Amino acid sequence: SQQGEEDPQALSIQEGENATMNCSYKTSINNLQWYRQNSGRGLVHLILIRSNEREKHSGRLRVTLDTSKKSSSLLITASRAADTASYFCATGYSSASKIIFGSGTRLSIRP
Amino acid sequence: GAVVSQHPSWVICKSGTSVKIECRSLDFQATTMFWYRQFPKQSLMLMATSNEGSKATYEQGVEKDKFLINHASLTLSTLTVTSAHPEDSSFYICSARKQGGLDTGELFFGEGSRLTVL
Repeated sequence: SQQGEEDPQALSIQEGENATMNCSYKTSINNLQWYRQNSGRGLVHLILIRSNEREKHSGRLRVTLDTSKKSSSLLITASRAADTASYFCATGYSSASKIIFGSGTRLSIRP
Repeated sequence: GAVVSQHPSWVICKSGTSVKIECRSLDFQATTMFWYRQFPKQSLMLMATSNEGSKATYEQGVEKDKFLINHASLTLSTLTVTSAHPEDSSFYICSARKQGGLDTGELFFGEGSRLTVL
């Protein structure tokens, strides 16, 4: 399968709470990226973490990467209704110069 | 900025006809563009990698004669779904990587094209 796995598949939380999504992948990577997709739209790049990095922050986003476990997590703090979207991790493979997307997490923020 | 424009955003066609979808990088040059297909509530499946001036590289299981890709310039790639059938109905999304960017760096996405084949 092309895809990595993400969990949970769907997540519903109250506005203001933190949302955590996890991503696992199968083979060695060059980097891992997180994207957001609003329903029926294209994807927007959120953050990229390289294979030699362990943690990265961008605004309310915090991404971790554990290459020994081949996993990453995306934390959105102080969630807002506008954060409702699908979130995908994507892994970059230097040998193939392409990016493969995970299965995605559908996040719903309840007002 | 890095804007990718995809056109048309939606198209309905009769079975047996061919449909062309365009992907343009508006404010940057893209030596590499990618075409993805997405079914409802599912992830993006990479169909092919489009390289300017050369043949596209198709993923396993994707029929190259069915999905024709042309990357004629540094700002334009096209996907033509030939002899479309209802099972080809899907959301098709293109993405582009900036020329000179990291081989596996950030991708910029078009807004997608929803194809419905009757």
